[in-house]
Amino acid sequence: AQSVTQLDSHVSVSEGTPVLLRCNYSSSYSPSLFWYVQHPNKGLQLLLKYTSAATLVKGINGFEAEFKKSETSFHLTKPSAHMSDAAEYFCVVSAQGTARQLTFGSGTQLTVLP
Amino acid sequence: GAVVSQHPSRVICKSGTSVKIECRSLDFQATTMFWYRQFPKQSLMLMATSNEGSKATYEQGVEKDKFLINHASLTLSTLTVTSAHPEDSSFYICSARPVGGNQPQHFGDGTRLSIL
Repeated sequence: AQSVTQLDSHVSVSEGTPVLLRCNYSSSYSPSLFWYVQHPNKGLQLLLKYTSAATLVKGINGFEAEFKKSETSFHLTKPSAHMSDAAEYFCVVSAQGTARQLTFGSGTQLTVLP
Repeated sequence: GAVVSQHPSRVICKSGTSVKIECRSLDFQATTMFWYRQFPKQSLMLMATSNEGSKATYEQGVEKDKFLINHASLTLSTLTVTSAHPEDSSFYICSARPVGGNQPQHFGDGTRLSIL
């Protein structure tokens, strides 16, 4: 079994300040972890993924995430927020070696203030 | 990059009609496609896994006779909402996983279905 918990349903930051979106997971297998972003009335775009290689993963648009097995966390960060980052972000876990269905977190709405 | 096209992006129809939504992988083949439903301000809920050349696998609580899935080729899966009712109104999103390797799913832009 696997699950994902996004600790914050809503995060607000000022433009130019750091972003931290928190995610904790549980999985019976070695997990693959993903962060997706969704803009209004759009599908999901992959930001980055972790698949048992380097624990610090760099993604698109300046985002990165660090896989910490001891803390079962995969928090998403960005040094400096941009207005265009405002969107819904989903942390997702997939168990490797199985049917690899995705389990989604409940999402975090990121607001960027001018 | 891998592109998934979902059509239509928005549909409004009367109660009782059937609606077909297409999901195409444009530049890769996908033996498996997934159909999700998303309610306002909520996460995605997996409805079914579409397998090319075989029957779809439905999640618990999803009516297979209500949501018909056909995956006739390696690049196309369709979801048909039969005899649609207002409670079927939702945002439906498909995704496709490229064949081979541990690759992530690629998502379509979703279909906003409104049943009057």
